[in-house]
Amino acid sequence: RKEVEQDPGPFNVPEGATVAFNCTYSNSASQSFFWYRQDCRKEPKLLMSVYSSGNEDGRFTAQLNRASQYISLLIRDSKLSDSATYLCVVNENSNYQLIWGAGTKLIIKP
Amino acid sequence: DADVTQTPRNRITKTGKRIMLECSQTKGHDRMYWYRQDPGLGLRLIYYSFDVKDINKGEISDGYSVSRQAQAKFSLSLESAIPNQTALYFCATSGGSRTEAFFGQGTRLTVV
Repeated sequence: RKEVEQDPGPFNVPEGATVAFNCTYSNSASQSFFWYRQDCRKEPKLLMSVYSSGNEDGRFTAQLNRASQYISLLIRDSKLSDSATYLCVVNENSNYQLIWGAGTKLIIKP
Repeated sequence: DADVTQTPRNRITKTGKRIMLECSQTKGHDRMYWYRQDPGLGLRLIYYSFDVKDINKGEISDGYSVSRQAQAKFSLSLESAIPNQTALYFCATSGGSRTEAFFGQGTRLTVV
């Protein structure tokens, strides 16, 4: 079992719709969680950190479920520019260990 | 100018050749990392460094070596390139384990 798992997609979603995807992690001791966005052939960039209480940034909402060991990302009112691959990242301890999911590809269609 | 700069951006090399990928950063971060990315796989850590005197192997260090020449510079070498090292390579920096990682634009390496 992979340490951090994501549905690779692609998720094909009409513009304006709401889309959500999850990321599961295997290590219950994981402490920090992030969502990064990666455009085709570009470097990953931080989208948002995921806090225990959940957090929201505009159209984006991230949630953490420690009991079931997953994090989620919800995108409301999706835009064409949201098309990208979304990478889930988990920090297993206070050291360097960032574990990356393989990413979920999202395609927003007009 | 980018905060994290990688050179070269693209490289085609022959099997058995030695190649060096360079990374420099202006973020002032102590932590630097080298990752490779393959289709369908997540970013995999090759080496990381917490300061100039600290070098650590990641999960896939075999066939690679690194040098931390200065706080701002971290280079990755393939001593004898092989075709399965064909991948997209990223350098990254961070100020800590719980803070944002900043990536270079990547080096697309092809070993033929």
